[in-house]
Amino acid sequence: KAGVTQTPRYLIKTRGQQVTLSCSPISGHRSVSWYQQTPGQGLQFLFEYFSETQRNKGNFPGRFSGRQFSNSRSEMNVSTLELGDSALYLCASSTGTGWKDTQYFGPGTRLTVL
Amino acid sequence: AQKVTQAQTEISVVEKEDVTLDCVYETRDTTYYLFWYKQPPSGELVFLIRRNSFDEQNEISGRYSWNFQKSTSSFNFTITASQVVDSAVYFCALSEALNSGYALNFGKGTSLLVTP
Repeated sequence: KAGVTQTPRYLIKTRGQQVTLSCSPISGHRSVSWYQQTPGQGLQFLFEYFSETQRNKGNFPGRFSGRQFSNSRSEMNVSTLELGDSALYLCASSTGTGWKDTQYFGPGTRLTVL
Repeated sequence: AQKVTQAQTEISVVEKEDVTLDCVYETRDTTYYLFWYKQPPSGELVFLIRRNSFDEQNEISGRYSWNFQKSTSSFNFTITASQVVDSAVYFCALSEALNSGYALNFGKGTSLLVTP
């Protein structure tokens, strides 16, 4: 089975711009979660989608949003980028059956905001 | 609130040494799941193990072993006869049930450097 894929792998944007990141889960997985990783804050949960619905959201401002499509692929969007949004954004997929699921991660998208 | 603590920020060992990575967690839940992930320089988090709170048996997989002690809220990870390829950042995580889904609470990670 193919793993979780994320595109693009690297992205450079300037402050004030917006960005869209994409994630394709493992075939058959219906849950997609997003995490932000920074040197200062570590790995932080952004949100989780299941069957095109956002089930949970972490403590991030409204500039961070996402969606999931009927084929379980997911996108996350960050509007009005700030320097502090520079991070590695990791997507994870799981079967979605519950909290005992194992999440499998993609290679991440490294976003640099100048 | 849940919390995962990995007190060791960086560890450096020489190849073939054994090394133990510590993980201590806090939770009010009686049922929970613990995970270990490995993050090599490429950035992808690689799943290593999942353990539920009712299973305190130690687990061994090749050179890797895990010691789960509910009484001390610890889930430690030992690499036996370390190799250069083990160099990575290792994360311990606790699964938190949220609404009908869940999220992983990660520790800050332990950076392991294995030198020849």
